[in-house]
Amino acid sequence: DVKVTQSSRYLVKRTGEKVFLECVQDMDHENMFWYRQDPGLGLRLIYFSYDVKMKEKGDIPEGYSVSREKKERFSLILESASTNQTSMYLCASNPSRSSNQPQHFGDGTRLSIL
Amino acid sequence: GDSVTQMEGPVTLSEEAFLTINCTYTATGYPSLFWYVQYPGEGLQLLLKATKADDKGSNKGFEATYRKETTSFHLEKGSVQVSDSAVYFCALSDRGGGSYIPTFGRGTSLIVHP
Repeated sequence: DVKVTQSSRYLVKRTGEKVFLECVQDMDHENMFWYRQDPGLGLRLIYFSYDVKMKEKGDIPEGYSVSREKKERFSLILESASTNQTSMYLCASNPSRSSNQPQHFGDGTRLSIL
Repeated sequence: GDSVTQMEGPVTLSEEAFLTINCTYTATGYPSLFWYVQYPGEGLQLLLKATKADDKGSNKGFEATYRKETTSFHLEKGSVQVSDSAVYFCALSDRGGGSYIPTFGRGTSLIVHP
């Protein structure tokens, strides 16, 4: 089975801090995604990546950046955390950009910005 | 652009009741359709999928049929259990600009009482 692992289940940071959320997948998937999940808003796509060192903006990229130095790892970076970035963050992967295969999700990181 | 609309929750049922969660979509291409389930404290996991018109996806007693003529993919289960309490997401994957981009509905919370 595909395993998508997010480094932290819960994280508390302060306003203005630089925050790193890490995600690793073990199935050699090309595509990786970062979402945030908020009540009543569902999943919103922040960034995605089709390959190493490639990234594409999703629907809400403002205030975030990403890094994909290795195929298995996709990092989400909050450059200067703000309270409105308090949310559940979900990482996902799927095999390739030419495939309509389902996504595999990590268990999420619940991030609180104080 | 593509979109997915699903009924708002929460849906509250007694154990052994019949479940329907409505999902309709708009897509520019010929998408694949998915239902994901999110149990408390976890990420999303694939429940079932369908890749072409009239396909029926099924898993764990849940079913959904890809209806191209009504652009719908309603989720049904004949007899729900307390353990089915979760949030259910309808999603599609469509080939736009040469790549498959996933689109999610906002999720429907299901609460099953004993």
